[in-house]
Amino acid sequence: QQQVKQSPQSLIVQKGGIPIINCAYENTAFDYFPWYQQFPGKGPALLIAIRPDVSEKKEGRFTISFNKSAKQFSLHIMDSQPGDSATYFCAARGNTDKLIFGTGTRLQVFP
Amino acid sequence: EPEVTQTPSHQVTQMGQEVILRCVPISNHLYFYWYRQILGQKVEFLVSFYNNEISEKSEIFDDQFSVERPDGSNFTLKIRSTKLEDSAMYFCASTRRTNEKLFFGSGTQLSVL
Repeated sequence: QQQVKQSPQSLIVQKGGIPIINCAYENTAFDYFPWYQQFPGKGPALLIAIRPDVSEKKEGRFTISFNKSAKQFSLHIMDSQPGDSATYFCAARGNTDKLIFGTGTRLQVFP
Repeated sequence: EPEVTQTPSHQVTQMGQEVILRCVPISNHLYFYWYRQILGQKVEFLVSFYNNEISEKSEIFDDQFSVERPDGSNFTLKIRSTKLEDSAMYFCASTRRTNEKLFFGSGTQLSVL
């Protein structure tokens, strides 16, 4: 119940493509869903986050779609660039302050 | 943007030895965390710390682990007797309030031989 399932494990797109990364959860007590971006040798950095009272949130080229009834949320990266090549983690937090991370998606964007 | 600083960036130790990983959280932050990431796997919560005490810990955080805020700026993770399976990247994180952005450091890569 504490797990967050993430797919795919890896993703390769051409520059300008729209990679989509999906996550699913079981615990209905989760109320905060962030996405983190991690470059090699660096710590995760918060990209965008959503709460379950909205179905979509956009920040620049990054969009989270949230489906509360299906307990799923996804990250879309519009007009992807080679600089977006990184590992992306979804996460969830409930009534404690610890984050439960997904297993990560390694994204490669080719020019 | 302010940063969480971790030292050292890489630590090599022999099995059974004690290690201390050091972190300097962002100065006005009150909540502190340690997470770890075994190579190629997900980031896992270890412990959270607030008001000079542990507020939550995971099953991973057994009696071999301890945390301390020895002064106003440092936050440390001690592993008393390291095991091979403790080899991982350890991330410190901090936030001002629990519902605000969590900032991660760049990590300490611990290698236990």
